[in-house]
Amino acid sequence: AQSVTQLDSQVPVFEEAPVELRCNYSSSVSVYLFWYVQYPNQGLQLLLKYLSGSTLVKGINGFEAEFNKSQTSFHLRKPSVHISDTAEYFCAVRGKLQFGAGTQVVVTP
Amino acid sequence: GAVVSQHPSRVICKSGTSVKIECRSLDFQATTMFWYRQFPKQSLMLMATSNEGSKATYEQGVEKDKFLINHASLTLSTLTVTSAHPEDSSFYICSADEQGPQETQYFGPGTRLLVL
Repeated sequence: AQSVTQLDSQVPVFEEAPVELRCNYSSSVSVYLFWYVQYPNQGLQLLLKYLSGSTLVKGINGFEAEFNKSQTSFHLRKPSVHISDTAEYFCAVRGKLQFGAGTQVVVTP
Repeated sequence: GAVVSQHPSRVICKSGTSVKIECRSLDFQATTMFWYRQFPKQSLMLMATSNEGSKATYEQGVEKDKFLINHASLTLSTLTVTSAHPEDSSFYICSADEQGPQETQYFGPGTRLLVL
């Protein structure tokens, strides 16, 4: 069985400050991990994914995530956020895609 | 990148009527598509897995006679909410596998259903 836990339901952050969104997973099989972003009233957009290889994954919009097998984590980071990064962020694990509960990022000027 | 579209984006209907939502993969073939439901400020809940040319696989607790799924081609899956009631009001999102079960799912923009 696979599952994902997002430890923060909401993360307030000031514009141009760094942000980290935490994600821990459990899986008994090979791990494929994803981060998606959802803007209000829209579908999900893929930010980045880890399938294999380098544990540091770079995605779109300046986001990156690091796969840590020993800590079973896949935390998402961005060194400097913009107002436009205000959205809901979901961590997910495959085979059958299992989503975390989501983390709301609110960026204030 | 892979693009998935949904139609309509928003629909309002009367209680007791049926509503069909279309999900299309625009620039790739999808043997597998997924239908999710999302309540306000909550995560996505997988309703069913749709496989081209075969019956859909429904998650536990999802009524297959209520939510009819058809995946007639490699680029189109439809979800029909039959005899809709106000409690069926929700945000419905589809996704499609680009290549096989281990690769990336690409999501449609969602359909907002409001049943009066």
